[in-house]
Amino acid sequence: QITLKESGPTLVKPTQTLTLTCTFSGFSLSISGVGVGWIRQPPGKALEWLGNIYWDDDKRYNPSLKSRLTITKDTSKNQVVLTMTNMDPVDTATYYCAREQWAYFGYWGQGTLVTVSS
Amino acid sequence: AIQMTQSPSSLSASVGDRVTITCRASQGIRNDLVWYQQKPGKAPKLLIYAASSLQSGVPSRFSGSGSGTDFTLTISSLQPEDFATYYCLQHYNYPRTFGQGTKLEIK
Repeated sequence: QITLKESGPTLVKPTQTLTLTCTFSGFSLSISGVGVGWIRQPPGKALEWLGNIYWDDDKRYNPSLKSRLTITKDTSKNQVVLTMTNMDPVDTATYYCAREQWAYFGYWGQGTLVTVSS
Repeated sequence: AIQMTQSPSSLSASVGDRVTITCRASQGIRNDLVWYQQKPGKAPKLLIYAASSLQSGVPSRFSGSGSGTDFTLTISSLQPEDFATYYCLQHYNYPRTFGQGTKLEIK
């Protein structure tokens, strides 16, 4: 059974750095073709892809956010970490991690709401 | 970036109706498109992959078609549990891009 779960702060202040962890089970990020992605959704708005990391440590980022994002993995812990710098109230959203295989997201975490406010 | 334009943005329909949602890509994406269903407070659920393949466990009233730039999601006979928001996603290239969503509401 494949599961993913996001964890991290629910509230961050403007200009702070957000760090979210995706802990997964039921698959390995060391297997060829597998990746984990991050997607966010502001309240009442559409989904936005943030970036992916793959089994070979290849990383892809949304160009609109690339300067602020870092995605890393710890294969031994089955974790992927998203770091987003210089948070702003417009970054308030539910953040999801998801497994990508065959280039699409088949399994998603439940999401975690992050509010950016002073 | 490839822009994915969904239409309509919202739709009112009744149980039993046949409903079609469209997604248009700003450039050709072969059949590298998936459809998701999202209910309030929940993560998206994969319905269709490769534009027309039904994900395991998804009812057969859902179907997808299209290739290149124009895609459709059809629900043949709406059930009460189908009222949700639907998104398309292209995975032809990076950045991955979603449509803006279609909210399906009860008439």
